[in-house]
Amino acid sequence: NAGVMQNPRHLVRRRGQEARLRCSPMKGHSHVYWYRQLPEEGLKFMVYLQKENIIDESGMPKERFSAEFPKEGPSILRIQQVVRGDSAAYFCASSLQGGRDEQFFGPGTRLTVL
Amino acid sequence: QKEVEQNSGPLSVPEGAIASLNCTYSDRGSQSFFWYRQYSGKSPELIMFIYSNGDKEDGRFTAQLNKASQYVSLLIRDSQPSDSATYLCAVNSGGYQKVTFGIGTKLQVIP
Repeated sequence: NAGVMQNPRHLVRRRGQEARLRCSPMKGHSHVYWYRQLPEEGLKFMVYLQKENIIDESGMPKERFSAEFPKEGPSILRIQQVVRGDSAAYFCASSLQGGRDEQFFGPGTRLTVL
Repeated sequence: QKEVEQNSGPLSVPEGAIASLNCTYSDRGSQSFFWYRQYSGKSPELIMFIYSNGDKEDGRFTAQLNKASQYVSLLIRDSQPSDSATYLCAVNSGGYQKVTFGIGTKLQVIP
């Protein structure tokens, strides 16, 4: 049973480009969460999605960031016009059910903005 | 007041000792409590979860929850150098609400 998969594992972008991060949840999981972690800092919640729905995006910056989880295919976190401050590790987690269910993390995507 | 508070450490313990990691939370309605381990450069790995007051044991790990004091802890018995990592406390406040993570406590087990 494959775990949570994320790709790419490492992504380098120049300022102003777009970054697209993908997450495939564990088999049978329909709840996906995205987190950002800056070096030596804690995990910061960004967005919680179920299939075709954004449940909670309270942690996501209002501009340049968007997320989706289509009926078919992986969840996508998109960052437009990246800036150096976007450099971080982005983790995706999935759970079988929302709420009190435990979340399982993917390996993360490390974004570097030059 | 932060929603989930942890001492960032580092907490240093000698090999074979008991490591005690602590976490407090602000939402009295919180229902689910998790401990994750994160090695440097890696993703968080779930090691324990607890829902009810009291102790829950799994191998060398024991999670303790005291809802009245809004306090959750993780004990690691017979600490090994391989336990050296950052331990993240996470709290869910019920319903479909997001899980909130503490900043994590860095544990160093000295051989």
